Parts: sequence; structure tokens; C-alpha cells
Amino acid sequence: QQPVQSPQAVILREGEDAVINCSSSKALYSVHWYRQKHGEAPVFLMILLKGGEQKGHDKISASFNEKKQQSSLYLTASQLSYSGTYFCGTEIGGTSYGKLTFGQGTILTVHP
Amino acid sequence: DAGITQSPRHKVTETGTPVTLRCHQTENHRYMYWYRQDPGHGLRLIHYSYGVKDTDKGEVSDGYSVSRSKTEDFLLTLESATSSQTSVYFCAISEAGLAIHEQFFGPGTRLTVL
Repeated sequence: QQPVQSPQAVILREGEDAVINCSSSKALYSVHWYRQKHGEAPVFLMILLKGGEQKGHDKISASFNEKKQQSSLYLTASQLSYSGTYFCGTEIGGTSYGKLTFGQGTILTVHP
Repeated sequence: DAGITQSPRHKVTETGTPVTLRCHQTENHRYMYWYRQDPGHGLRLIHYSYGVKDTDKGEVSDGYSVSRSKTEDFLLTLESATSSQTSVYFCAISEAGLAIHEQFFGPGTRLTVL
């Protein structure tokens, strides 16, 4: 079942902060975050594992609430380059061959 | 950047014709995936491979088949293309099985079925 992202879209001025949420109805092993610019491939941002381990971008942070099966991506002091569509991908079970189910995406627009 | 290429990058074909898309990697990653991306649906997994000759279905596999005869190549075939298969197709690779295993995506193939 597809995770649900919120909000669907957000518009910011440079320097403002944003939070993008990802919720699942299933118990998760990991949550991945990707950013995609128009006409390009998705690019890896963050991965958060059940148990607290994570890896990712040094200017973007994220959290994973295992009890609620929710993840949030925190974009602070946004830059023009942050514009794009953000996707969360969820993995159920550590032996699922890395299969991800992606949310529908959140469109982030940063204006000067 | 991960070494992933997809071919062709663009294709227009007619309903009922067979189509094969190729994904090639130079990273020697074990896991490979085919996704389709459509407006409002995000990325949906079609098929994946966990090794040479080892493949399995994803959530939207009907009408698609795959083959992997070498580590570096993963082929997606539409046996008889339909207009509903018009989409952007992305290949991805991963070292899933390790604790941290992000996916790296290829540049995509835009397929139009008339």
C-alpha cells in the first residue's frame, strides 16, 4: 500500500524552512527520501532504518517515528536548488530485496 | 554518479508492437529494479532482480516481462504494447542486503504508445 505524503505542494521563499511528512499503514523497516527535478532521475537524499541508523545529505535532516510509522524530512534555510518533487519510499521487512513503495510526491518550489 | 545507462532514451511505438528497454550498469550491484512513473502515482515497481536469472514481480507487473542474463544488464519487455503503458520508465540499482542500501536511478526512458 502506497505511503501518504503531506503536504502535496509547498511554496517557500529562500531561507524559509519546510517539513514534508510520509505516513504508512504498515510496519516499516526503512524509509528512503529522494528528490527529483523536472525531466531528471530521482536522486537519493536520506535513508532511515528501523533502530535509528541513517545516512544522507549533510544539509537535510529527517526523522523516523517507528511507533507511528511516520517519517519527516526537514529542509532548513531553503535554497533555490531545493526546488523539485520529493518522494518517500518505504521498505517493509529487512529481507524484501530492497523493494520500495513510493508516495505520490510533494512538490517544493523555492522562490528568490 | 553511479554508472547506469538506459536505452533508448525516447521511443514512440504503435499499439500491439513488442518493445524492449535496456538498463546497463557498471557498478556490479546485485539488485536491479524497473519502475514506471506516471503523474499522480509517483514511482511504481514493475519487476526487480536479485541476481543473474533471479527476478520477481513488483506491484504493476501485468503486461511486462524481464530478463537478466548478466549482472550488468536488466531488460524490460512489453510483449504487446498498449496505450496504458505510455510512461517514463526508470531503472535503479542497489546493494540491498547491506544495512544502508540506497537506490541509484538511471536517466529514464520516455515511452509513448500510440
